Amino acid sequence: GAVVSQHPSRVICKSGTSVKIECRSLDFQATTMFWYRQFPKQSLMLMATSNEGSKATYEQGVEKDKFLINHASLTLSTLTVTSAHPEDSSFYICSASDTSGASYEQYFGPGTRLTVT
Amino acid sequence: GDSVTQMEGPVTLSEEAFLTINCTYTATGYPSLFWYVQYPGEGLQLLLKATKADDKGSNKGFEATYRKETTSFHLEKGSVQVSDSAVYFCALSDPDDMRFGAGTRLTVKP
Repeated sequence: GAVVSQHPSRVICKSGTSVKIECRSLDFQATTMFWYRQFPKQSLMLMATSNEGSKATYEQGVEKDKFLINHASLTLSTLTVTSAHPEDSSFYICSASDTSGASYEQYFGPGTRLTVT
Repeated sequence: GDSVTQMEGPVTLSEEAFLTINCTYTATGYPSLFWYVQYPGEGLQLLLKATKADDKGSNKGFEATYRKETTSFHLEKGSVQVSDSAVYFCALSDPDDMRFGAGTRLTVKP
């Protein structure tokens, strides 16, 4: 089946620094990717919809200047957490849909554990 | 590690039929369990959840019970509607990880 990768799988950074997380669709093209955030024992929260070649669409309450999303190609979307703080520590997951056919199934990346110290 | 196994689709039902989508999990701890739904072209939406054994999550007529003895969290609905056509994902979450099932596409025909 389709594969979505994320890199890095875990990252620890100091408060005030920026961290970039990559989401790649490995064997299909994805015009749309989704970024989610999850706190321990809680459900996923959709942060934004990443659209190839255009600006991301952010969910209400998500700071677009803090969580920068770039979808420069049909196989890569990046999420940059700028000026990270401990409250940004979380599990970030991306997903992508193979739009080559009629399927709308989402394929999930394995997630990135961000810890801000 | 933790994992989720979900009934493969696609599933096609007539309107007002009974729905069951099976989900079983393996986990070393005591995870929370979730069902997510995704409508065409949209992101995931949380459908329901259960955080401990014997809890029943319910929403929009859907139900699922956290069964520790059978490590299951099957999704059920008594009478599906055309608007329920979507992809459904079972998931588990613990403090360190989150795992999703592969998803089950449901198509409800009028």
